[in-house]
Amino acid sequence: GAVVSQHPSWVICKSGTSVKIECRSLDFQATTMFWYRQFPKQSLMLMATSNEGSKATYEQGVEKDKFLINHASLTLSTLTVTSAHPEDSSFYICSARAHGPNTEAFFGQGTRLTVV
Amino acid sequence: AQSVTQLGSHVSVSEGALVLLRCNYSSSVPPYLFWYVQYPNQGLQLLLKYTSAATLVKGINGFEAEFKKSETSFHLTKPSAHMSDAAEYFCAVSDRGGAQKLVFGQGTRLTINP
Repeated sequence: GAVVSQHPSWVICKSGTSVKIECRSLDFQATTMFWYRQFPKQSLMLMATSNEGSKATYEQGVEKDKFLINHASLTLSTLTVTSAHPEDSSFYICSARAHGPNTEAFFGQGTRLTVV
Repeated sequence: AQSVTQLGSHVSVSEGALVLLRCNYSSSVPPYLFWYVQYPNQGLQLLLKYTSAATLVKGINGFEAEFKKSETSFHLTKPSAHMSDAAEYFCAVSDRGGAQKLVFGQGTRLTINP
């Protein structure tokens, strides 16, 4: 299957700082990327959907000014957690889909963010 | 709106026994249905998906699932559990148009007893 690489796999940052997570599709053009958040022992909650070259569409309750998403190219999307706080600590997972109907979404390996 | 309910947050079976993970969905339109597996601190791997062809879908690692519209179910089965099957399993639903956003169930942790 296609490969989606997420970096870093884990990060620790101080409260009040910002952290950027990258999601790259290595062998296909990802016209649509999704960002999820997963709390311990819970399911994945969709945060936002981004299409290359467009503004991301955020799910209800997700602060777009706090979770900045950029999808500037067909192989890269970034999620920046701004002014991070301990409650932002979570497992963040991206997925990417190529253009077309019924195309599979491939998932990155996730990033564990710990805010101290 | 779409939703998924996975019955049982934790299922434990013996090695070699039948695995049955239950999933019921709600959708106002014909759905796509998926089963994913997640190992600790990793992303999700697709096991299988239903997209309106055969109702019995075969996936990787010996898993299969049957789409039953009358029961709004998409239960995951494997005839004989292996120790390596121990993981978290997620059922998901999406619509067939647009972004095809996935809506996930709560997940079921599968434990395999030796």
